[in-house]
Amino acid sequence: DTAVSQTPKYLVTQMGNDKSIKCEQNLGHDTMYWYKQDSKKFLKIMFSYNNKELIINETVPNRFSPKSPDKAHLNLHINSLELGDSAVYFCASSQSIRGARYGYTFGSGTRLTVV
Amino acid sequence: DQQVKQNSPSLSVQEGRISILNCDYTNSMFDYFLWYKKYPAEGPTFLISISSIKDKNEDGRFTVFLNKSAKHLSLHIVPSQPGDSAVYFCAASQGGGKLIFGQGTELSVKP
Repeated sequence: DTAVSQTPKYLVTQMGNDKSIKCEQNLGHDTMYWYKQDSKKFLKIMFSYNNKELIINETVPNRFSPKSPDKAHLNLHINSLELGDSAVYFCASSQSIRGARYGYTFGSGTRLTVV
Repeated sequence: DQQVKQNSPSLSVQEGRISILNCDYTNSMFDYFLWYKKYPAEGPTFLISISSIKDKNEDGRFTVFLNKSAKHLSLHIVPSQPGDSAVYFCAASQGGGKLIFGQGTELSVKP
């Protein structure tokens, strides 16, 4: 039973489209995250939510909007997709904000390709 | 400005020998350091962590060493096995749940 699952695994779409990536965790964790791995392989935080409340919002274009309907779900909606949005997006969770020290649990990633 | 750096993009080691992966950081306020392992097409998997007040933590074949004066940490894998071949990421905790990752080192363990 997958602990952190994200869908879809692959997403190919045209510039200008709007798309969503869904994430669900069944670990009972309070905190969820979105990370982006760019072409240079850096993993950079985009957002974090703790009990549905936005905690971290890095300097991400406002075309990216996270939505947390409950603490087990954190979805990422992207408007007006651009070529530079092509990357692998990882969802993750931790027991709490302080739980990052014990390691996040990551999903397997969504490879987004904008053409 | 990259606060966590892994300067070696790749490392090749013979099976049974020691693998040493290195990581440097610039921010002395980091409170925890972590190592993750990543296979292709999978998410990173947590391996081991160390508090900034410790200098060593061991878990089976994996040991992490922290040198605060040099702002340097390393992951030792002994003995290395072919299944250890993966990309290893160093990460630092800045509080608020945020982890800052290095760019990874690809380890190849040859039989």
